[in-house]
Amino acid sequence: SQQGEEDPQALSIQEGENATMNCSYKTSINNLQWYRQNSGRGLVHLILIRSNEREKHSGRLRVTLDTSKKSSSLLITASRAADTASYFCALNAGNMLTFGGGTRLMVKP
Amino acid sequence: KAGVTQTPRYLIKTRGQQVTLSCSPISGHRSVSWYQQTPGQGLQFLFEYFSETQRNKGNFPGRFSGRQFSNSRSEMNVSTLELGDSALYLCASSLATSGIGELFFGEGSRLTVL
Repeated sequence: SQQGEEDPQALSIQEGENATMNCSYKTSINNLQWYRQNSGRGLVHLILIRSNEREKHSGRLRVTLDTSKKSSSLLITASRAADTASYFCALNAGNMLTFGGGTRLMVKP
Repeated sequence: KAGVTQTPRYLIKTRGQQVTLSCSPISGHRSVSWYQQTPGQGLQFLFEYFSETQRNKGNFPGRFSGRQFSNSRSEMNVSTLELGDSALYLCASSLATSGIGELFFGEGSRLTVL
């Protein structure tokens, strides 16, 4: 089954900086979603972007989708220490959601 | 509204035993998905149920099975446990009736197989 590939695998930044994570995939999708996971906890939904959308915003989060390049990016602006977590892209094609390997983000105070 | 509830949160089993994990979705959600998360393989899709029917199944051996009840609660069972089954098992529910929309995850059941 298709799976997103995330880049970078790990990212360390200072509080206040922006963090950008990328997700690439290989086949057609209905929508692409981003989730956050704090260590050992359940995942929390951040944003869903449909295949006919190019950009969505939610607070400090901005997600873009380029279906021609089969890629998406998640931008977190003005990062905070509380943003430290793993971030996953998830691809929806049909009745299942497949997750990428994730990006581990560390925001240093 | 209560979130997705998974029980038990932690359990330890030995090889060869079987285990049953339970998931209560958010009220009104009829779709329940199960995932296995390990450090090596990441998040892998197990199966998805909607209105008591399995709509999709991941690439796991037949030792992994699940079911959904008429009240949308779901259980998954792993028989003849192996060391490699040690993982965090995550359940998620969704309001979407066709396709998959936003998933709401529980905190997971952490299984350790000795």
